[in-house]
Amino acid sequence: NAGVTQTPKFRVLKTGQSMTLLCAQDMNHEYMYWYRQDPGMGLRLIHYSVGEGTTAKGEVPDGYNVSRLKKQNFLLGLESAAPSQTSVYFCATGLAGPYEQYFGPGTRLTVT
Amino acid sequence: AQTVTQSQPEMSVQEAETVTLSCTYDTSESDYYLFWYKQPPSRQMILVIRQEAYKQQNATENRFSVNFQKAAKSFSLKISDSQLGDAAMYFCAYSPWVTSYDKVIFGPGTSLSVIP
Repeated sequence: NAGVTQTPKFRVLKTGQSMTLLCAQDMNHEYMYWYRQDPGMGLRLIHYSVGEGTTAKGEVPDGYNVSRLKKQNFLLGLESAAPSQTSVYFCATGLAGPYEQYFGPGTRLTVT
Repeated sequence: AQTVTQSQPEMSVQEAETVTLSCTYDTSESDYYLFWYKQPPSRQMILVIRQEAYKQQNATENRFSVNFQKAAKSFSLKISDSQLGDAAMYFCAYSPWVTSYDKVIFGPGTSLSVIP
């Protein structure tokens, strides 16, 4: 089992470019989350999903969109990247909400 | 507002010794979860230990144990017999699971070094 995978692992974007980060899981978990990690700030929740076809905003949703068309995939989109979105992005899944989250390996995004 | 504070940005411990990482949190909820996550240089976030607030007994997982003081809103992590592989960032996290199952609030982290 692959667990939780994220694609890509690294990416450099120019300001204004768009991209999509893919999170895939093979654990059949209902809950999926996108976090960003910035130095000195821990992880902050961007968006989350409680099941296929559902999405909801987290703590820092501005500038991001998400989709969960299939249960196993959760996509995070940046329509017009800004330098403030330079961060490490983590996807996580959970069988029962936050009780136990399984994290992907992260994507390091740099926006110049 | 619910917050999680880790007052020790960096700590170090000698191999085989014991170290305690501190965490305090602020909440008006009575039922919640508390977590310690480990992030080694590989960047992979790993759940170390979890505590349910309604349980008075402190959680333990092998060499890892917590001191949960609900009234003081304190949740410290003790690592016994420290090993080189324990070197990592450690994040304390809080989740008000009854009222908001989507929310997990992370502290800023403590960087732990293990000295051979």
